[in-house]
Parts: sequence; structure tokens; C-alpha cells
Amino acid sequence: DAGVIQSPRHEVTEMGQEVTLRCKPISGHDYLFWYRQTMMRGLELLIYFNNNVPIDDSGMPEDRFSAKMPNASFSTLKIQPSEPRDSAVYFCASSQSKQGSGNQPQHFGDGTRLSIL
Amino acid sequence: RKEVEQDPGPFNVPEGATVAFNCTYSNSASQSFFWYRQDCRKEPKLLMSVYSSGNEDGRFTAQLNRASQYISLLIRDSKLSDSATYLCVVNQAGTALIFGKGTTLSVSS
Repeated sequence: DAGVIQSPRHEVTEMGQEVTLRCKPISGHDYLFWYRQTMMRGLELLIYFNNNVPIDDSGMPEDRFSAKMPNASFSTLKIQPSEPRDSAVYFCASSQSKQGSGNQPQHFGDGTRLSIL
Repeated sequence: RKEVEQDPGPFNVPEGATVAFNCTYSNSASQSFFWYRQDCRKEPKLLMSVYSSGNEDGRFTAQLNRASQYISLLIRDSKLSDSATYLCVVNQAGTALIFGKGTTLSVSS
């Protein structure tokens, strides 16, 4: 079975540039999550969707960050303009139900390692 | 106070040792509890759920103390392959998962 697919795996760009991260969830999963992981702050939830609708975006750091899910098989996380402090690993995860209502695990993609110079 | 707190370690133990990790959570309304494992430069993966009565999966035992808002993970007979970061995870009904920063385990031969 194909897992959660993220692209690109690595991204290095200069500050001020627009960055777009992509995610394809596991087919049939109706929840999609975007996380950011740094050494200092650990794994932080940025936003999550249910049936393509954003449910909670309170973790999005500021207006430079935006996320969309135009259909059940694709989501993007965009940073514009990017800054060095955005450097982190960004994970996408999907699940069949919001974990807690049942023990459906979240499946994570391999992550995108983003470096903003 | 952070929502989920863990001792970051690292815990350095020899093969065959028993090691225990602890985790505390701040929100008494938390309803579900999990341990995830993350290998270096890899994604987190679910290790096991944590049930109120405690549960075991092979060499791994998870315990929950709701009164103290405390979760533990015990690993018996440590293997080299157990070396990883272990993330304590909680959530309330209707919310997403909250991850601890993780505890790093290094098992040496």
C-alpha cells in the first residue's frame, strides 16, 4: 500500500522566496494533518483538514503560511515569503478518524526538510 | 507549563537492560494516549496505544495514571534496534494530537 507521499523531500531556498510543500494522503483517509518539527519546539501541529475542510488552523504561525486541500488526494502548505526561522522538517499525516475517537493511527509521510538561507 | 512533558534524555543503556520513560500531561480532559517512535531523520510511527488498565506488547509495557496525569513506557530486554526517540502523545476528544518533544534512547552493545 502506498503511504503518505510528500514532495519535495528536501528544499533549500533563499529567504523571501515562495515555498510550496505537497502531500498526498493515504486513499480513504478523511483527516489530513500538517506538522512542523524543530529541535527547539518538537513536533507542532500547524493545521488539519477533515473531508478537505480546514478544521483547526490555530497552529499556523502567521499569515505567511497557508494551506489548501482542493480534493481528497492532495494538499499544499505554502510559505510566502519564506524566512530563515521557517527552516524545519514539515510532516504531513493522514488518518481515517481523528485519533481519540478511535485508535486509528496517524500515518506520517517522510517529511520535507526545508532550509531557508 | 507545556501540555506534554518528557525527559529528553538521552538514555544510554546496554543491550538487555530494562528502561522506563515517563511523561506528564497538563490537560485533565485528555482522553487518548499513545507512544510513537521516531528514528533519526525519519517520520514518527505509532508504537502503541495506552489504555487505562495498562497494556503490553511484547517487550513493551505502557501504563496510564489518570489521577497523576502520568504515562509511562517500559522496555524490557533492550535491543540495539530500540534506539530511537520515543514520543508521548495525548489528545482530547474533538482535538488533534499533542506530541511531547520525545525521549531519546541509545542502546549499545
